[in-house]
Amino acid sequence: DAGVIQSPRHEVTEMGQEVTLRCKPISGHDYLFWYRQTMMRGLELLIYFNNNVPIDDSGMPEDRFSAKMPNASFSTLKIQPSEPRDSAVYFCASSLGSPTAGSRTDTQYFGPGTRLTVL
Amino acid sequence: AQSVTQLDSHVSVSEGTPVLLRCNYSSSYSPSLFWYVQHPNKGLQLLLKYTSAATLVKGINGFEAEFKKSETSFHLTKPSAHMSDAAEYFCVVSDPASGGSYIPTFGRGTSLIVHP
Repeated sequence: DAGVIQSPRHEVTEMGQEVTLRCKPISGHDYLFWYRQTMMRGLELLIYFNNNVPIDDSGMPEDRFSAKMPNASFSTLKIQPSEPRDSAVYFCASSLGSPTAGSRTDTQYFGPGTRLTVL
Repeated sequence: AQSVTQLDSHVSVSEGTPVLLRCNYSSSYSPSLFWYVQHPNKGLQLLLKYTSAATLVKGINGFEAEFKKSETSFHLTKPSAHMSDAAEYFCVVSDPASGGSYIPTFGRGTSLIVHP
């Protein structure tokens, strides 16, 4: 398996523009997570999906952020409009929940990240 | 609610000396605990994990961690540091959230600096 794939790896845009980050999880994984990493705030969980359904989006900073997972092999994180304070590295991760009671998630596999710079 | 505290934001060691990265957690359940490593400009990679089996867990690259319930700790150690160990290390706790799913909480990270 190629692992978690993210695109683009780097994105430079101007304030006010729409930004779309993409993620392909590992095949067969049923959980998908979006994180944001900055020096000031560390690694923050933005939202996670289980079987393509958003479960908890309480970490999404503002209405400018939205995430979708139209199918098991693709997810997007969109920022519209973008602002300089959105500059960060955005990670996508996937994991396989246990089929036993409790849906225990196990090891998360991270993509290489997208480094976003908003000017 | 679960939480995790990495007690040092930076740890500096000389090559060949032992490494100790400290982590304390809080959980109302029997948690899963993980250590991840992030090398510069890379994604996070799993080093090791504890899921209620043996309390001493061995991971990749010679790292190990010991789960101590009485101390609510999960410190990461390595007998002898290599230059290639220089990276950011994250301690992670995971226990059942509402609905029964285990959703991880990450520590702020510890930057390991290795001097020649």
